Amino acid sequence: DVVMTQTPPSLSVAIGQSVSISCKSSQSLVYSDGKTYLHWLLQSPGRSPKRLIYQVSNLGSGVPDRFSGTGSQKDFTLKISRVEAEDLGVYYCAQTTHFPYTFGAGTKLELK
Amino acid sequence: EVQLVESGGGLVQPGRSLKLSCVASGFTFNNYWMTWIRQAPGKGLEWVASITNTGGSTYYPDSVKGRFTISRDNAKSTLYLQMNSLRSEDTATYYCTRGVAYWGQGVMVTVSS
Repeated sequence: DVVMTQTPPSLSVAIGQSVSISCKSSQSLVYSDGKTYLHWLLQSPGRSPKRLIYQVSNLGSGVPDRFSGTGSQKDFTLKISRVEAEDLGVYYCAQTTHFPYTFGAGTKLELK
Repeated sequence: EVQLVESGGGLVQPGRSLKLSCVASGFTFNNYWMTWIRQAPGKGLEWVASITNTGGSTYYPDSVKGRFTISRDNAKSTLYLQMNSLRSEDTATYYCTRGVAYWGQGVMVTVSS
């Protein structure tokens, strides 16, 4: 199984600050079609997860451009510029390149 | 607007069965693979099952293989998860998803005597 190592496990930030979250996979996430199926999700308190970024760097529908994703092969990063209160919650990376699909353990973003 | 609405959760004894349903709307259901993902209380996300758009192929992790069955009725735009031989470790909120792009509100399954 592909192990997704997500760091840090938690972040304490001030509104307006920029932060980055890292996700490293134990195998390359490049699929046979050449695409990389690495996604970023946000689960706000008491809510279902919401997709922010798909295929490494593509912004989901309605997602503010304060969010950006970069990376390739086995090393990926989510950056949030100018954190807002609505950004608080748990962030997960997810890979759907290989079965079984697997997720990072999550990064909890809290207010300082 | 894409909507996924799960139902069928509840409290069940270990070893018993439960069947979850998910009614989809807002998109052409028979064009998409569908997936179940679960989240144990206070824990992270775990993929449970996926099914191709035609229902011709299904995929499971080892943790549920042989006990859970994913299926779909494209005429009814409905996804199912038949869960047999339930264990305490299957206690979780179960989400019906279209990939990881769209998620239902989730349904709680509690396995306890």
